[in-house]
Amino acid sequence: NAGVMQNPRHLVRRRGQEARLRCSPMKGHSHVYWYRQLPEEGLKFMVYLQKENIIDESGMPKERFSAEFPKEGPSILRIQQVVRGDSAAYFCASSPREQGNTEAFFGQGTRLTVV
Amino acid sequence: GQNIDQPTEMTATEGAIVQINCTYQTSGFNGLFWYQQHAGEAPTFLSYNVLDGLEEKGRFSSFLSRSKGYSYLLLKELQMKDSASYLCAVKSAGGFKTIFGAGTRLFVKA
Repeated sequence: NAGVMQNPRHLVRRRGQEARLRCSPMKGHSHVYWYRQLPEEGLKFMVYLQKENIIDESGMPKERFSAEFPKEGPSILRIQQVVRGDSAAYFCASSPREQGNTEAFFGQGTRLTVV
Repeated sequence: GQNIDQPTEMTATEGAIVQINCTYQTSGFNGLFWYQQHAGEAPTFLSYNVLDGLEEKGRFSSFLSRSKGYSYLLLKELQMKDSASYLCAVKSAGGFKTIFGAGTRLFVKA
């Protein structure tokens, strides 16, 4: 049973370009969480999605960032017109249901570098 | 506001015991998690506490006091491979997100 798969592992974008980060949850998991981690800092919640629904996007910047989790295919975190401050590691986690006492399984992350 | 505090760094000796503390102030409480994260890798689940008391799992134990907003992670018989960041995370009641602390970087020396 494959774990949470994120790709690409490393992504370099020039300022103003778009970044698309993909996350395939573990088999049987329908809940996906996206987190951002800056160097030497903890994980910052961005968004929680279920299939075809955004449940909580309170951690998402109001502009340039969007997320989706379609009925088929991976969850996508999209960052438009990237700026240097977007450089970070972006982690996706999945769980079989809302994370009550259920642990969330994390992917290896996508390290975005904006040059 | 919501706040989770844990020490930035700790150093301990191989074979020893180390306790990593975490205090939290959140809007409601629905459980506390500890994760381990090696540099450049994904966080991995260590423990979950929702009731007061001590949960033991092998070399790792986690304690919770809800009235004090306090938890600790206890690592026994330290090994070099335990050198990592340890993240304390709280799930607030009524919400869906888990709030993470900045993590404690543990250095285990020979």
